[in-house]
Amino acid sequence: DTGVSQDPRHKITKRGQNVTFRCDPISEHNRLYWYRQTLGQGPEFLTYFQNEAQLEKSRLLSDRFSAERPKGSFSTLEIQRTEQGDSAMYLCASSLLTGTPYEQYFGPGTRLTVT
Amino acid sequence: GDSVTQMEGPVTLSEEAFLTINCTYTATGYPSLFWYVQYPGEGLQLLLKATKADDKGSNKGFEATYRKETTSFHLEKGSVQVSDSAVYFCALKTRSDLSGGYNKLIFGAGTRLAVHP
Repeated sequence: DTGVSQDPRHKITKRGQNVTFRCDPISEHNRLYWYRQTLGQGPEFLTYFQNEAQLEKSRLLSDRFSAERPKGSFSTLEIQRTEQGDSAMYLCASSLLTGTPYEQYFGPGTRLTVT
Repeated sequence: GDSVTQMEGPVTLSEEAFLTINCTYTATGYPSLFWYVQYPGEGLQLLLKATKADDKGSNKGFEATYRKETTSFHLEKGSVQVSDSAVYFCALKTRSDLSGGYNKLIFGAGTRLAVHP
């Protein structure tokens, strides 16, 4: 399967703990995005990478959040000192730099529950 | 700023009924418009898109027409099936001068559709 994959699919953690999520985009895709989706809402943009460069971060991405894409392939999203308000679905998407740049392919998401 | 407004759900229909899910947008410039669908337990999938005014996107019996004069992109299907039960998201992408025009999507809140036999 060559779709976008995310790991883990579910994560339950206690408030104050750190968590890290991984996203593996479609192999030839240069662009990678992270979104957050809370219950009953649409996804909200968090950050964007073009190859290994992080080119934009939303103001939703507080200092406790950090994302990396060290070799321009997979990406990680880390949340430090988790809070209950961080409970959400974290979605990763990827797209091509050329060709059909409008189409983002989404992974299944990582559901985070902070207790 | 740019935003998308969708009709609230859930929308409950009987099989073979006609479906309309309203979507309106606010944007500067000339956005591309999309409908994404999220089936239970699955990721978002692009359903259809339109990149300029008066374009009609279509896929799997669903259609939506980009109406610039009413800033709308309503989703329609003539005869829904039980398998169409899902959450539908309207989204827009504006042409950005930043970073070579990458496509950050702005989503509506989603509309849940439940189709009964």
